[in-house]
Amino acid sequence: AQSVTQLDSQVPVFEEAPVELRCNYSSSVSVYLFWYVQYPNQGLQLLLKYLSGSTLVKGINGFEAEFNKSQTSFHLRKPSVHISDTAEYFCAVSLQYTDKLIFGTGTRLQVFP
Amino acid sequence: DADVTQTPRNRITKTGKRIMLECSQTKGHDRMYWYRQDPGLGLRLIYYSFDVKDINKGEISDGYSVSRQAQAKFSLSLESAIPNQTALYFCATSAGNYGYTFGSGTRLTVV
Repeated sequence: AQSVTQLDSQVPVFEEAPVELRCNYSSSVSVYLFWYVQYPNQGLQLLLKYLSGSTLVKGINGFEAEFNKSQTSFHLRKPSVHISDTAEYFCAVSLQYTDKLIFGTGTRLQVFP
Repeated sequence: DADVTQTPRNRITKTGKRIMLECSQTKGHDRMYWYRQDPGLGLRLIYYSFDVKDINKGEISDGYSVSRQAQAKFSLSLESAIPNQTALYFCATSAGNYGYTFGSGTRLTVV
């Protein structure tokens, strides 16, 4: 069975600094990978997804992620964060053709002025 | 109007009561899902439905039931609520392996 590990439960960072949120997955077959963001008191919003093709995926709000098959990782990055990026971020994986998402436990990004 | 609407947004109920959480969507998607979110545990799948006649259990279905009344409606019921069902519940829809659209959630407290 597949699983997702988000290595950091909280990431504090100052405004305009770069950030990386780490995600590793476990699966014996090909997967699709996703990052979602949850702003306070809201539902989850899709940031970006990897289905196939280029391993560097660009998403909304200046975020990007890189799929690394050998490391089974899908880390999320942003070169310069804003206060408004403060939110919880979830990595998720689904097996191809199953359309069932398995979520990580989330990483709370807190951006300080 | 939101693509995925959940009602109610907040609910407090007593132990042993039956409660229904409702979800409706205007995306035209066949696939619908119910998840619960608990601090530190992320989101866990309760039930999912790939069409009106297809209902499947997720990883934590005990104590819950669902009804898919139409393509656009998918309800989650707690037959006899217990305090450890206190959580944030999300409904989501999908057209395939391209990501989900989530509702805004229902915050349920069982006292």
